[in-house]
Amino acid sequence: DVKVTQSSRYLVKRTGEKVFLECVQDMDHENMFWYRQDPGLGLRLIYFSYDVKMKEKGDIPEGYSVSREKKERFSLILESASTNQTSMYLCASSLQGGSNQPQHFGDGTRLSIL
Amino acid sequence: GESVGLHLPTLSVQEGDNSIINCAYSNSASDYFIWYKQESGKGPQFIIDIRSNMDKRQGQRVTVLLNKTVKHLSLQIAATQPGDSAVYFCAENGVYKYIFGTGTRLKVLA
Repeated sequence: DVKVTQSSRYLVKRTGEKVFLECVQDMDHENMFWYRQDPGLGLRLIYFSYDVKMKEKGDIPEGYSVSREKKERFSLILESASTNQTSMYLCASSLQGGSNQPQHFGDGTRLSIL
Repeated sequence: GESVGLHLPTLSVQEGDNSIINCAYSNSASDYFIWYKQESGKGPQFIIDIRSNMDKRQGQRVTVLLNKTVKHLSLQIAATQPGDSAVYFCAENGVYKYIFGTGTRLKVLA
């Protein structure tokens, strides 16, 4: 089974802090994704990566950046956290093949910005 | 509890009955669809997928039906169990990314 592991289940940070969310997958997947999930809005794509050192903006990249230095690890960075970034963050991975492969998700990080 | 499903439509089903969860997708060019299950406090879990060259696909206790004419997808769960209580949402493939529905909460009544 695919295992996508997010480093923290719950995280509380302060406004203005730089925040790192880490995600690791163990299935040698080429593609990795970061989403945020908010009530009534469903999953919104922040960034994705289809290879090491590659990244593409999703629908809501503002205020975020990402890093993919190794194939199995994809980090989401909040450069200067703000209260409107309080949310559930979900990482996913999939095999190469564009959007014709199922994405497998981690259990999420619930981030609160005070 | 999690607030991700705060504003979702809810389907309440008696334990042992069959459940049908519906999804309207947006893009007639989409050719791959997935159903996910999300339990409280967990990430979405892959249930079943279907490609557009099929109308129906069966898994263990689940069946997905695809009607391309009306852009409609449904998930049928046979003999619904308490462990099926969760939020279910569909996803359709777009260009390089998926489009996710907001979901339906399934409540199983004892």
